[in-house]
Amino acid sequence: SYELTQPSSESVSPGQTARITCSGDVLAKKYGRWLRQKPGQAPVLVIFKDTERPSGIPERFSGSSSGTTVTLTISGAQFEDEADYYCYSAADDNLIFGGGTKLTVL
Amino acid sequence: EVQLVESGGGLVKPGGSLRLSCEASGFTISNAWMHWVRQAPGKGLEWVGRFDSETRDGTTDYAAAVKGRFSISRDDSKNTVYLQINGLKAEDTAVYYCTTMWTGLDYWGQGTPLTVSA
Repeated sequence: SYELTQPSSESVSPGQTARITCSGDVLAKKYGRWLRQKPGQAPVLVIFKDTERPSGIPERFSGSSSGTTVTLTISGAQFEDEADYYCYSAADDNLIFGGGTKLTVL
Repeated sequence: EVQLVESGGGLVKPGGSLRLSCEASGFTISNAWMHWVRQAPGKGLEWVGRFDSETRDGTTDYAAAVKGRFSISRDDSKNTVYLQINGLKAEDTAVYYCTTMWTGLDYWGQGTPLTVSA
């Protein structure tokens, strides 16, 4: 079965660039997506199809892909970006999720 | 505008049954794959199951952890997908979300919480 691996935590200073990686064999043939989830709230899609940003998501959020790894980049991180971030993909028509990365902005 | 609204969660005793609903608007569910995902307290996201679009014969599939107890169905007249859960266990306590991919974009509902406790 497929797996997606991401770091459990990352930290970034305000105004600096945060990068969260997600690795898994499935990403070599399927798109990666990223969700942002703040405490007590539903997940919000911030990146789809590896690099696309939904309307309403700030331009500081970007995605990239290389081989079996996708990366979420937050350029000029703000305090409001502190949240859990999950990568996920569709494998064999099912959804698989990374374990989530807690991003701390301090 | 695409929207997904889940409902039906609550407090249920172990061994009981419950049906969760996901009402869709802005698209026709029979043309889309509909997934259910859950999140236990303090844990990550876990795929539960899916209902295929009509082009894929409307088949279903489930995660191994829930197969046999969970069942997904669809009412096209109400544009609503359901998640039937039988034999509820404490470990089914979670927020349940429905999600779909429509015209290349993923959409998520706000979730409905389920607590299984005596």
